[in-house]
Amino acid sequence: RKEVEQDPGPFNVPEGATVAFNCTYSNSASQSFFWYRQDCRKEPKLLMSVYSSGNEDGRFTAQLNRASQYISLLIRDSKLSDSATYLCVVNGNSNSGYALNFGKGTSLLVTP
Amino acid sequence: ETGVTQSPTHLIKTRGQQVTLRCSSQSGHNTVSWYQQALGQGPQFIFQYYREEENGRGNFPPRFSGLQFPNYSSELNVNALELDDSALYLCASSSNPGYTDTQYFGPGTRLTVL
Repeated sequence: RKEVEQDPGPFNVPEGATVAFNCTYSNSASQSFFWYRQDCRKEPKLLMSVYSSGNEDGRFTAQLNRASQYISLLIRDSKLSDSATYLCVVNGNSNSGYALNFGKGTSLLVTP
Repeated sequence: ETGVTQSPTHLIKTRGQQVTLRCSSQSGHNTVSWYQQALGQGPQFIFQYYREEENGRGNFPPRFSGLQFPNYSSELNVNALELDDSALYLCASSSNPGYTDTQYFGPGTRLTVL
């Protein structure tokens, strides 16, 4: 079983729509959780960290459910510029220097 | 921009050859992690260097090796290249190898093995 699993999509949504991405992770000892955004043929960039209490940054809301080992990202009022691949990321353990474990990514296309 | 740089940007090699990729970490960062991203996949952890020592390794064979220099820049070396080594190679730097330390990625080196 992969350490981080997410629906690859693609998700095609119209501008202004609300879209939600989900992700599950297998290592219950994981301590840090993130969403990264990756544009085509570019490097991943940190979108936001995810905290147990949930956190919001503008149109983006991230939630973490440790009991279910489940992470979500909600994007409200989608913009054309939100089109990208969204990577769910969970840290590893100290033996790996807390290396990041990435899901395969969920592709989002926002259309006019 | 993150301040993490990588060279070269693109590289074409043939099977069996050797390659060296380079990464300069962000100022003030002492930790560099390397990742391989195959087409359509998420990045996979190769190894991490902290203060010039290997600090963790993913599931990659020994022909993937690395080095970190006193200025915390780093190299990734791959010997006996295989077709499946074709990928985007990303390095990420952080201020420390802790789970609270954000990793910032460089633009990557795209390696094609023919």
